[in-house]
Amino acid sequence: GDSVTQMEGPVTLSEEAFLTINCTYTATGYPSLFWYVQYPGEGLQLLLKATKADDKGSNKGFEATYRKETTSFHLEKGSVQVSDSAVYFCALSETGWGGSEKLVFGKGTKLTVNP
Amino acid sequence: DVKVTQSSRYLVKRTGEKVFLECVQDMDHENMFWYRQDPGLGLRLIYFSYDVKMKEKGDIPEGYSVSREKKERFSLILESASTNQTSMYLCATGQVQETQYFGPGTRLLVL
Repeated sequence: GDSVTQMEGPVTLSEEAFLTINCTYTATGYPSLFWYVQYPGEGLQLLLKATKADDKGSNKGFEATYRKETTSFHLEKGSVQVSDSAVYFCALSETGWGGSEKLVFGKGTKLTVNP
Repeated sequence: DVKVTQSSRYLVKRTGEKVFLECVQDMDHENMFWYRQDPGLGLRLIYFSYDVKMKEKGDIPEGYSVSREKKERFSLILESASTNQTSMYLCATGQVQETQYFGPGTRLLVL
């Protein structure tokens, strides 16, 4: 079945450092790709998404490009802040029964940003 | 804004108890999902529903059942709780081919 692999954490950075979290996927068909973020004590929030090859998703200074040739969707941010400390999940959608879409998640990468 | 609420943030139950976790959404979404989240394992899909009274097994349905009697409400049931069901449970909702929105989660401890 479809799967998502993202880099193991935890990742610790200083404020204003550059962030990359790698994500690769295997899928039949053409899934949409997502990054979700989970702040401490909260549920997941959509950070950004891309629905087709070469699309770039962006939000809050984060961006990721859907690369079909390398089956990747790496998350990047040029200058992280302490408030970016969270767990980041890469996910893909696969269409199932009734047109519903199931999400397949990576295992998550915990990011800590120090002042 | 989409609002997804879960009945409890924290829950402590004893082995063998029947446990109900409830999720309510206010956006008239067709699809609703239950996941469990465990350290090092990410999120795993337990069950999902794409319509009232419809349900489909996810990746780890054993030991769980679900109920969807109304469109806005999706319940997860642990028929006889066991310690290996201690976890964070997350409900999500969404329209077909659109983003999923998550509730705040219920942290369940089974003693």
